[in-house]
Amino acid sequence: GESVGLHLPTLSVQEGDNSIINCAYSNSASDYFIWYKQESGKGPQFIIDIRSNMDKRQGQRVTVLLNKTVKHLSLQIAATQPGDSAVYFCASYEGHSGTYKYIFGTGTRLKVLA
Amino acid sequence: SAVISQKPSRDICQRGTSLTIQCQVDSQVTMMFWYRQQPGQSLTLIATANQGSEATYESGFVIDKFPISRPNLTFSTLTVSNMSPEDSSIYLCSVRAANEQFFGPGTRLTVL
Repeated sequence: GESVGLHLPTLSVQEGDNSIINCAYSNSASDYFIWYKQESGKGPQFIIDIRSNMDKRQGQRVTVLLNKTVKHLSLQIAATQPGDSAVYFCASYEGHSGTYKYIFGTGTRLKVLA
Repeated sequence: SAVISQKPSRDICQRGTSLTIQCQVDSQVTMMFWYRQQPGQSLTLIATANQGSEATYESGFVIDKFPISRPNLTFSTLTVSNMSPEDSSIYLCSVRAANEQFFGPGTRLTVL
């Protein structure tokens, strides 16, 4: 079956440094990817997305890179802040015949060290 | 955007009982989704609920265990039936609106 997985379960980063969170997906038919941030006790919140016809997309302090050749995407957070501490999930969107669903990766916990 | 609320926010239940979780959205949406997030793990889709039709369940989830109602375009319920400790998890309601997926705050369920 399809899977979306993350390489590192926990990432500790010094405040002010850049963070890079990686994700691999298995379904080459996936055409849309999303990164979510989940803080303790809350549901996931959208951070940034990217379509398969792009290899890079930038937001405010965040950049998502997509490498379709090796089915890998990453989330880069610039100048990491304490408020960035959370669990980050990648998800792939698969839609066909009028139905769709999101498949989530296992998650990476980002810890920002003061 | 869509604002989603869930009730209850948490509950502790006895083995063998059932719990119904409510999900309310502040706008009309066609599709609502129910996810499970077990402790320290990612989100797993349980089922997709369309208004006026039977829910579509993912592999490993069945209607007898997780019956879903979708009476209108802003509301849905998920029942966790005949609970066991393995059902202890966070249950999340989700909708898609304005080309974005939104999630509720989740219901934290503990089964003793």
